[in-house]
Amino acid sequence: QVRLEESGPGLVKPSDTLSLTCSVSGGSVSSYHWTWIRQPAGKGLEWIGQMYPTLRPNYNPSLQSRVTMSVDRSKNQVSLRLASVTAADTAIYYCATEIAGRRLDPWGQGTLVVVSS
Amino acid sequence: DIQLTQSPSYVSASIGDRVTITCRASQDINNFLAWYQQKPGKAPNLLIYVAASLQNGVPSRFRGSGYGSVFTLTISNLQPEDFATYYCQQANSFPRTFGGGTKVEMK
Repeated sequence: QVRLEESGPGLVKPSDTLSLTCSVSGGSVSSYHWTWIRQPAGKGLEWIGQMYPTLRPNYNPSLQSRVTMSVDRSKNQVSLRLASVTAADTAIYYCATEIAGRRLDPWGQGTLVVVSS
Repeated sequence: DIQLTQSPSYVSASIGDRVTITCRASQDINNFLAWYQQKPGKAPNLLIYVAASLQNGVPSRFRGSGYGSVFTLTISNLQPEDFATYYCQQANSFPRTFGGGTKVEMK
């Protein structure tokens, strides 16, 4: 059973780069399609992007110029970097795997990122 | 991008009721539609995938249907633990997109 846990700085200054990590247990980071989703407080879900370690990632066009996803096989982790953040990037960020049937399961518990000076 | 429109945005219901939520896609997405339940402070939880397949461990009172561009999630015999927000999500093409959500509230 794959389990995911997101971690990150919690507070990021405007114009800085947000860096988050999704630690994977119970499976190899090389074997899954990794997805990041975010959710501003009280709002809906926004798909950020998806990657498979040996394939070109797919990013949301609305974020494509600022987002980078990567994997660290040695640490069994997935990373998300979002550059030039603004207050609009304040949200809970989730990682999830997209598995057979193109379903997102499981999800991590999410990590809150606040963009503020 | 494929737009997903959920209706209603809110539904007020009682224990034992049947609740139906509709998700309309802006174009044909075959059957690549999933439904998620989210409770406050928790990550979304997968209920249904490829429109009608019940995720392991999800009660059979949850049923998904539809194909093409119109999909429904039906909750029969609503239970206390079903009061939550429900999201549809298309996985037919990139970028994946979510519906705006439907909050099921207690009447």
